[in-house]
Amino acid sequence: GAVVSQHPSWVICKSGTSVKIECRSLDFQATTMFWYRQFPKQSLMLMATSNEGSKATYEQGVEKDKFLINHASLTLSTLTVTSAHPEDSSFYICSARKTGGYTEAFFGQGTRLTVV
Amino acid sequence: GESVGLHLPTLSVQEGDNSIINCAYSNSASDYFIWYKQESGKGPQFIIDIRSNMDKRQGQRVTVLLNKTVKHLSLQIAATQPGDSAVYFCAEIGGATNKLIFGTGTLLAVQP
Repeated sequence: GAVVSQHPSWVICKSGTSVKIECRSLDFQATTMFWYRQFPKQSLMLMATSNEGSKATYEQGVEKDKFLINHASLTLSTLTVTSAHPEDSSFYICSARKTGGYTEAFFGQGTRLTVV
Repeated sequence: GESVGLHLPTLSVQEGDNSIINCAYSNSASDYFIWYKQESGKGPQFIIDIRSNMDKRQGQRVTVLLNKTVKHLSLQIAATQPGDSAVYFCAEIGGATNKLIFGTGTLLAVQP
């Protein structure tokens, strides 16, 4: 299967700082990337959908100014958590799809964010 | 964000038995479904997929059944092994949004 690389795998930051998480499709072009947040023992909650070259579509209740998403190329999307607070601590996961239609989404290994 | 349900139900099976994991999906316009396996601290891993024009698809030791009438999916794992222990999620795509939405998830615990 295709490979999606997410970096960093874990990060600890101080309250008020910003953190950038990168999601790269290593061997395919991803026209669509998804960003999820997951709390312990819960499902993946979709935060936003990003399409290359256009603005991300955020889910209801997700602050677009706090969670900045950039999908500048067909192989890279970034999520920046701005002015992080302890309640932003979570597991963030990205996913990439090659094209629309009946194609699976491949997932990164996730990023564990801890805000202290 | 969108999600279906909170708190994971658990399915406990004996090694060697068959496992059946169920999922109810939400959007009748969804036309593509995927089962994922997630181990602790890792991202989801693709298991098997099915399109809405099918009602059954088989892979290696796994079978997915789709019942569009009641919006229900199931994942059957034959001869369950300890390495199958993980959380299993169904996910749906379709409609106008093209979003990949996850179901609640089920924790599969395989007893040796």
